[in-house]
Formats: sequence, structure tokens, C-alpha cells
Amino acid sequence: ILNVEQSPQSLHVQEGDSTNFTCSFPSSNFYALHWYRWETAKSPEALFVMTLNGDEKKKGRISATLNTKEGYSYLYIKGSQPEDSATYLCAFHQGGSEKLVFGKGTKLTVNP
Amino acid sequence: DVKVTQSSRYLVKRTGEKVFLECVQDMDHENMFWYRQDPGLGLRLIYFSYDVKMKEKGDIPEGYSVSREKKERFSLILESASTNQTSMYLCASSYRSYNEQFFGPGTRLTVL
Repeated sequence: ILNVEQSPQSLHVQEGDSTNFTCSFPSSNFYALHWYRWETAKSPEALFVMTLNGDEKKKGRISATLNTKEGYSYLYIKGSQPEDSATYLCAFHQGGSEKLVFGKGTKLTVNP
Repeated sequence: DVKVTQSSRYLVKRTGEKVFLECVQDMDHENMFWYRQDPGLGLRLIYFSYDVKMKEKGDIPEGYSVSREKKERFSLILESASTNQTSMYLCASSYRSYNEQFFGPGTRLTVL
């Protein structure tokens, strides 16, 4: 069974703080790494799909980096806002597989 | 706008009942997935389908079956519901297995 670990499990920050969290995944047979944001009472929504080692993607104040050789990805949020409060999920896609393996998520709370 | 819909947001059933959860996507996606989400366990894959009438077991298929008779519709069936199947059920779809997944709003099932 593939292991995808996310840390920390939860995080509380103040509005305006920048923050980051980690996703660790197997470094062998990598195909893709997905990041999703899941707000309370809504559906998970894709943020990024990353495939290349060293890749960096950005969407507004949120960015992500990828290191496939060592098996980790970081998600950064610059100047956190209360609307960033959500659970952030990463998911690993192994080569040759049709499915994603999700981590348990990092729950971010941004206090006004 | 991309859309995945699920037949019910909330459902209460009794132990031993047969339960059908329906999922419909309007994006002509090849792949469809059923997950369950439980506190502390993250999203776990029950079954997925990569084509009409095709299905593959996920990580926790026991007690479930699926049906995909049409491309847009993927049904999850609990043959004889049990209390340990009380959970949030999420359906998702993607164009190809490596593309981002689009999620439905979820069905919160309670089995009494």
C-alpha cells in the first residue's frame, strides 16, 4: 500500500501570515502529484497537477514545488486570508496506475 | 462549467437495506471514482471505472459494488448496508487518469 504523508495535520495562522505545508510520497515510479483544496460544505477542487521534477506552479497567492527524486512537494500560501481556510489534500499518482492515493490532508485555519 | 452531481446530499438507511448512490457527470469524462471520507482517514478509493461497463477495485471495495452502464453515470451499491458504512461518499470524474479530478458535493450516509 502506497503511503502519502502530509504535515502538519492542522495549522492555525493569523491573517496576513505566510505559511507552508508538506506532502511526502514514494520517490519511485512517480507519475504525477495533485493538490486539492477542500473547503467546508464544498467539494474538493484541484489546485495543481505537477509532473516534472523541479516544477513550480502558482495560482494567485498559492504556489507549489515538486521534488520527485526525494519524494516531497511543498504548498505555500503567501499573505493568508480567512477565505484560505480549508483542508489541503495532496494525491500521488503512480506510473502504470489509474488511481490517486490521497494523503490525510492539512487543515488550515486563518484567523482574522 | 464542469459538473458532477450526486443523487442525495443526506441519506439515512437501516442496517440490511440495499442502498444506491448515483453520480452523474456532464463532461464526457472517461474515468469515474467513488471515495469515502472518514475523520482521520482521509479519502479512500472504493471503486473506479475507466470506461463504460469497466470497473476496478480500489483500496476498500468490501461490501460495495458498482455499475457503469452509461458513460456519464456511475452508481455505488451497498448490497446490505451496515453501520460501519456510515460515512461521507464522494464521487469524482476525470478525462484521463492523469488529469485533475472533479468532485461531486458528497452524500452523507447514515446507517442505523
